[in-house]
Amino acid sequence: ETGVTQSPTHLIKTRGQQVTLRCSSQSGHNTVSWYQQALGQGPQFIFQYYREEENGRGNFPPRFSGLQFPNYSSELNVNALELDDSALYLCASSFGGNQPQHFGDGTRLSIL
Amino acid sequence: ILNVEQSPQSLHVQEGDSTNFTCSFPSSNFYALHWYRWETAKSPEALFVMTLNGDEKKKGRISATLNTKEGYSYLYIKGSQPEDSATYLCAFQAGYTNAGKSTFGDGTTLTVKP
Repeated sequence: ETGVTQSPTHLIKTRGQQVTLRCSSQSGHNTVSWYQQALGQGPQFIFQYYREEENGRGNFPPRFSGLQFPNYSSELNVNALELDDSALYLCASSFGGNQPQHFGDGTRLSIL
Repeated sequence: ILNVEQSPQSLHVQEGDSTNFTCSFPSSNFYALHWYRWETAKSPEALFVMTLNGDEKKKGRISATLNTKEGYSYLYIKGSQPEDSATYLCAFQAGYTNAGKSTFGDGTTLTVKP
């Protein structure tokens, strides 16, 4: 059983640039959620994808967008990067319902 | 905006000590409460999913209790070991969502000294 994998591990960008982060969900999981985790805080829900459709969004602006592919892998895209976007971005997959999520190791994004 | 609070923020104990920490969450619209353990340089790992008031779950030396009427859950670690050092996160799942839309607390970071 393959776990959740994220790429890249680390990324450095400058303000105004755009970034794409990738996530391969655990085998069989059709639901993928993305979180932003700032230092000293818990993960903040960005959005969720279920069967290639966005299935809920947290309090994040439209410049945060995503995709889910037929194999349930997912992308997080962030446009017009700001300094405050510097954070760890976590992806988690599950079967939905109250089944626990399986997390990837995250992508550390630094904005200069 | 849902408020999920964890206390204390951090905890330092000696090997062999028992410890506990708290997760407070809204008492209305409850569906499930999740506990995760997050070790440094690893991904968060699910510990427990708790759904019923009065639930008690156990995994080795770690156990958790749930009180949905008053909106809190306790996580206990008996005889702490250095490998228990991690950040423990709780996540509140409301009745209209699934686990992937849970609201997380900021975590309790436990350091166990040998």
